[in-house]
Amino acid sequence: NAGVTQTPKFQVLKTGQSMTLQCAQDMNHNSMYWYRQDPGMGLRLIYYSASEGTTDKGEVPNGYNVSRLNKREFSLRLESAAPSQTSVYFCASSRDSRTSGNTIYFGEGSWLTVV
Amino acid sequence: AQKVTQAQTEISVVEKEDVTLDCVYETRDTTYYLFWYKQPPSGELVFLIRRNSFDEQNEISGRYSWNFQKSTSSFNFTITASQVVDSAVYFCALSDRYTGGGNKLTFGTGTQLKVEL
Repeated sequence: NAGVTQTPKFQVLKTGQSMTLQCAQDMNHNSMYWYRQDPGMGLRLIYYSASEGTTDKGEVPNGYNVSRLNKREFSLRLESAAPSQTSVYFCASSRDSRTSGNTIYFGEGSWLTVV
Repeated sequence: AQKVTQAQTEISVVEKEDVTLDCVYETRDTTYYLFWYKQPPSGELVFLIRRNSFDEQNEISGRYSWNFQKSTSSFNFTITASQVVDSAVYFCALSDRYTGGGNKLTFGTGTQLKVEL
């Protein structure tokens, strides 16, 4: 009953450090996503992967890179963390990228603080 | 461009009261999908409902009900006989397709619901 699993759950970084958020889903979904959640702004899409082997920018991609390692895994990398990247990060997945309106299922979130 | 507005930032009710969370959306697409998610204090996002633009029937699931009205571009969520466990942030979201695939969700800013004894 895992669904979407992301690690770590909490992380504190110093400005300029790098880190990778890991995400895996066990629902055999084709599409995966990374969102960030900031107070008063809802969730905003950083990057998504419509299918294995493809990635595309979302609404707020600057400062991030992603890798779709295989069908199950989609990682988010901060190369040089900045305080503006302090946020809660959610990984998510959906079944089929070719059909509109698939339900997107979210992981439990990763709380990242950049000091 | 898509937009989802949840004008109610925070709502406080006493247990057993009914409460309605408003959601107004904007889209130029004729085919679109609307969602509600719940974010309890523990932080995870829980899917509640999905509705497509061609189905305007209201839906009821236990104490939860949803009223979809295309004429007013609204997809409101009502909790009947609220309980303390309903305390959470509720997000309304709208979906269409990116060129080349993928499903993009545009979220509202959320409504914080506090249910007190």
